[in-house]
Amino acid sequence: GQSLEQPSEVTAVEGAIVQINCTYQTSGFYGLSWYQQHDGGAPTFLSYNGLDGLEETGRFSSFLSRSDSYGYLLLQELQMKDSASYFCAVRDQGGKLIFGQGTELSVKP
Amino acid sequence: EADIYQTPRYLVIGTGKKITLECSQTMGHDKMYWYQQDPGMELHLIHYSYGVNSTEKGDLSSESTVSRIRTEHFPLTLESARPSHTSQYLCASSERDSFSRASYEQYFGPGTRLTVT
Repeated sequence: GQSLEQPSEVTAVEGAIVQINCTYQTSGFYGLSWYQQHDGGAPTFLSYNGLDGLEETGRFSSFLSRSDSYGYLLLQELQMKDSASYFCAVRDQGGKLIFGQGTELSVKP
Repeated sequence: EADIYQTPRYLVIGTGKKITLECSQTMGHDKMYWYQQDPGMELHLIHYSYGVNSTEKGDLSSESTVSRIRTEHFPLTLESARPSHTSQYLCASSERDSFSRASYEQYFGPGTRLTVT
C-alpha cells in the first residue's frame, strides 16, 4: 500500500520558523514534492527533492532522507499570507503524485 | 505563468444528469491529470494522460470517464451524476519527463466545485 503521514495542523506566529514533517511508505518512489493550497484555491508547487539533502527556495526549504523515508518543509520568516494547507506528495517514475492529507498552517500575529 | 483553465467553476446539478467538466491548457504539456478533493482532505488522482489518445485510471476508483483527443484538452464526463459525486475536481498538467526541474511541477487549474442534489 501507499501512505503518507503529516501533521494535520500547525500554529505559529509571524516571523517564526516552522517545520512540517512528512513520512511515507510507497512503492516506486522517485521524489518528494510540496504544494501549497490556500482555502478554495488551486494547489501551487513549492519544491521538489529527488535526492537526499536540502533544497532552498527563498524563505522555503525542503529536505529529504530516502533511507528514512522522511522529508520536511521548512518555512522561515513566517508571514500571515503563509496561512494555508501544505501537502507533501510522493512522485513516481511516471510523474504521478500521491498526496498526503495536508497540514493546515495557521500564522498568528 | 501557468495557463490552465477549468469550466464551469461551480456546478449544481440534479441526480441522474450527464455532465462534462472542461479542462484546457495552453502550455503544450503532454501530461494531464484529474484529481478529486473533498474539503480539508487530500487530493486523489482519478485519471491521467501522458499524451493524445492515452488515458489511464488513477488510484481512486471513479465512475467518470475522460478523453484526450487534443493535447490541450482533457474533459471529464459523468454519465449519471449522483450525490456521492459531490466534490471539487482539479485538473493539472505537467511537461514530459526531462532533466529539467520544470518537469517535476504540476500546474493546477482553479477547480470545479460540483454539487449533485
